[in-house]
Amino acid sequence: GAVVSQHPSRVICKSGTSVKIECRSLDFQATTMFWYRQFPKQSLMLMATSNEGSKATYEQGVEKDKFLINHASLTLSTLTVTSAHPEDSSFYICSATSEIAGAVPSTDTQYFGPGTRLTVL
Amino acid sequence: KQEVTQIPAALSVPEGENLVLNCSFTDSAIYNLQWFRQDPGKGLTSLLLIQSSQREQTSGRLNASLDKSSGRSTLYIAASQPGDSATYLCAVSPLYNFNKFYFGSGTKLNVKP
Repeated sequence: GAVVSQHPSRVICKSGTSVKIECRSLDFQATTMFWYRQFPKQSLMLMATSNEGSKATYEQGVEKDKFLINHASLTLSTLTVTSAHPEDSSFYICSATSEIAGAVPSTDTQYFGPGTRLTVL
Repeated sequence: KQEVTQIPAALSVPEGENLVLNCSFTDSAIYNLQWFRQDPGKGLTSLLLIQSSQREQTSGRLNASLDKSSGRSTLYIAASQPGDSATYLCAVSPLYNFNKFYFGSGTKLNVKP
């Protein structure tokens, strides 16, 4: 249980275009979803936290107008990288938690998706 | 701000060896600490979660310890196997926001057959 998927797994786009990445909780309702970015040989850096039906909370230094996050339902969050540039090339990983009793094995942890590799040419 | 450090950055050992990975954190006001495994180009798999009130957790060949007062955790892997090769990440959650993770930069482990 507690499976999180991401789509696409890999995307290549031209500079200046926008890219949407989906994060889905397949077998549970996710009350909170998180978006991380991981540059090569570096660790995961939290970009933003989103709760269903409300605006995302962005970490310091993350441009909210560039990285649009929508969490419209309890099973889906999307990250849109607007006007992507080569420096946005990275591995984007989402995770999800649930505070609903019995929904997930542990409410104390995040369940991670497999990640999306974004390459901006 | 919480800072998490992992040493060593990379480790290469022959199959069968026991090994220890280290994680240190600067702020001891944590809710829990978690060890993850990440395979190349993949997401994260949770290995062990230690609550702040606990000293250690065990799962199979893995044992994680936590010394909150000194800001340290270790992950012990017994009888390492080539399939253990991966990057191991530790992450801490602050007491004031247990949903927020601060990750270390990871230890890349290579177990040679």
